[in-house]
Amino acid sequence: NAGVTQTPKFQVLKTGQSMTLQCAQDMNHNSMYWYRQDPGMGLRLIYYSASEGTTDKGEVPNGYNVSRLNKREFSLRLESAAPSQTSVYFCASRDPGKRRTEAFFGQGTRLTVV
Amino acid sequence: SQKIEQNSEALNIQEGKTATLTCNYTNYSPAYLQWYRQDPGRGPVFLLLIRENEKEKRKERLKVTFDTTLKQSLFHITASQPADSATYLCAVAAAGNKLTFGGGTRVLVKP
Repeated sequence: NAGVTQTPKFQVLKTGQSMTLQCAQDMNHNSMYWYRQDPGMGLRLIYYSASEGTTDKGEVPNGYNVSRLNKREFSLRLESAAPSQTSVYFCASRDPGKRRTEAFFGQGTRLTVV
Repeated sequence: SQKIEQNSEALNIQEGKTATLTCNYTNYSPAYLQWYRQDPGRGPVFLLLIRENEKEKRKERLKVTFDTTLKQSLFHITASQPADSATYLCAVAAAGNKLTFGGGTRVLVKP
């Protein structure tokens, strides 16, 4: 039972490079989320997808794009990485329609932009 | 603007005592509020959910209260143990299934 799987776990990028963070869930959840977490801080919402085919901006969307490829997969793209995007990125999924509406998180992607 | 605020200062507490954490929210009318635990290097893990019509919820040594008038939730860890040391985050779900977290409070339980 994999839950939420993120790839890669670690990545180092040079300023200006692009990359895509992958996230997949096997719980048939409708909603998926991307957060970033900086040292000593909470989770800040980048983008979310309430259901397949929809995406919306969160608190800190600048510099990022997302794709809800299908119900299982939600990717986060950095088109031109900047040092300010050095962070740990978490993907999460949940099904708000169910009584148990908790979010399940992946193990995180630690990204360093030099 | 919408805000979810938790005490950013770490809470140091002696083993066996009760830890109390606060979550205040502004410009939300949540149907429920959630609490998560996060250990270093890991993603958050769900602990408890409390609905707007519930005043209190318990799970083992954890207790959560929800006051929609004060726009506040309190999270209690009773008979705290060193293994309870972690960061605790509250989360609010807004319209459109947007799930927003507070900044978290780090708890350190000393033996």
